[in-house]
Amino acid sequence: EAQVTQNPRYLITVTGKKLTVTCSQNMNHEYMSWYRQDPGLGLRQIYYSMNVEVTDKGDVPEGYKVSRKEKRNFPLILESPSPNQTSLYFCASWIRAAPYEQYFGPGTRLTVT
Amino acid sequence: AQSVTQLDSQVPVFEEAPVELRCNYSSSVSVYLFWYVQYPNQGLQLLLKYLSGSTLVKGINGFEAEFNKSQTSFHLRKPSVHISDTAEYFCAVSDQPRGAQKLVFGQGTRLTINP
Repeated sequence: EAQVTQNPRYLITVTGKKLTVTCSQNMNHEYMSWYRQDPGLGLRQIYYSMNVEVTDKGDVPEGYKVSRKEKRNFPLILESPSPNQTSLYFCASWIRAAPYEQYFGPGTRLTVT
Repeated sequence: AQSVTQLDSQVPVFEEAPVELRCNYSSSVSVYLFWYVQYPNQGLQLLLKYLSGSTLVKGINGFEAEFNKSQTSFHLRKPSVHISDTAEYFCAVSDQPRGAQKLVFGQGTRLTINP
């Protein structure tokens, strides 16, 4: 089954404790991205990747890191999480062809206390 | 840069009533348009998309949307809703020249169906 998977689905952590949220897709998509969803703000892009070892900032990159060492994986790293990073995070992937329809993972709900 | 405005943050309707969720966008270039649905505790699922051609687009679960270029709108409609349509709906755009990089999302509309 074609899908985007994320782990963990739920995470509660404390301020400053490094964490990684994993994302994997099995559709051989070139593009991958991370979004955060906050009430009243919709989804905002954090980082995206155009292919292995090629990444770029989205609209809200501060406090996040990413890497793309393999085509299928795109982990999101919070090196020193803060309470304002409490949010619902989605990973997405898509092919490098119009109309660039994106496929989303199930989401990771992160709470930073 | 594009932007998307969903004009209603919440829409309550009765079961079997019609519904319209409104979406306006701004862009200086041609765009692709999407509606995604997010059911409780789930990820986003594509409802429908407009690429070109006919301005009336049909999607899954009986939804349809109409692209209006002059009004820069892409409103979503369903003639008769069901309890199972309770979800949050997102309108999104990508611009055709640079669309590969990202989708720009609206703020979302929470649709609540009352029995």
